[in-house]
Amino acid sequence: GQQVMQIPQYQHVQEGEDFTTYCNSSTTLSNIQWYKQRPGGHPVFLIQLVKSGEVKKQKRLTFQFGEAKKNSSLHITATQTTDVGTYFCAGPKSGGYNKLIFGAGTRLAVHP
Amino acid sequence: NAGVTQTPKFQVLKTGQSMTLQCAQDMNHNSMYWYRQDPGMGLRLIYYSASEGTTDKGEVPNGYNVSRLNKREFSLRLESAAPSQTSVYFCASTQGTGNSQPQHFGDGTRLSIL
Repeated sequence: GQQVMQIPQYQHVQEGEDFTTYCNSSTTLSNIQWYKQRPGGHPVFLIQLVKSGEVKKQKRLTFQFGEAKKNSSLHITATQTTDVGTYFCAGPKSGGYNKLIFGAGTRLAVHP
Repeated sequence: NAGVTQTPKFQVLKTGQSMTLQCAQDMNHNSMYWYRQDPGMGLRLIYYSASEGTTDKGEVPNGYNVSRLNKREFSLRLESAAPSQTSVYFCASTQGTGNSQPQHFGDGTRLSIL
């Protein structure tokens, strides 16, 4: 069946270090979405990528969508303690109706 | 500007008890979703409602039922709770059913089944 995998599962960094999480899909995706969930909170939409090879930036966050539209990455430059949380990627699930299939997430811990 | 509101926030049940998780959105969204989140497994879709009056199964529907009461409200019912249903439950909504719309999540219900 359709799968979305994320690596790593967990990463801890020192404040100021960079961080990258990778998302790989078993199928070609029409788009990919990224969400952030703070500890004890709910997922919050960050961004959507649609085009092959697309790169988008939000301040210190850089999102990329692979040329084959089967993988994506999120890179955070110079992490801050406010970046702590779990980052999820999600792609459309076959069958429409905006159903999403989520990766298991990458949990980021930032040590001051 | 509440967005998606879920009640209750926490609940402890005994095996075999029933309960209904409530969800309401005030964004005039057409589609609503119920997910469960378990450690290390991301979010899994239980049921969804593409529009008022319609519901359909997601990837893990067994043991659950849903009701789309009106455009605003989408409830999830556990008829006979089991320990395997201990999880965090999130309700979400989107404006429509197209594959390019962000999902807006509620704060979640943390459910423990003893």
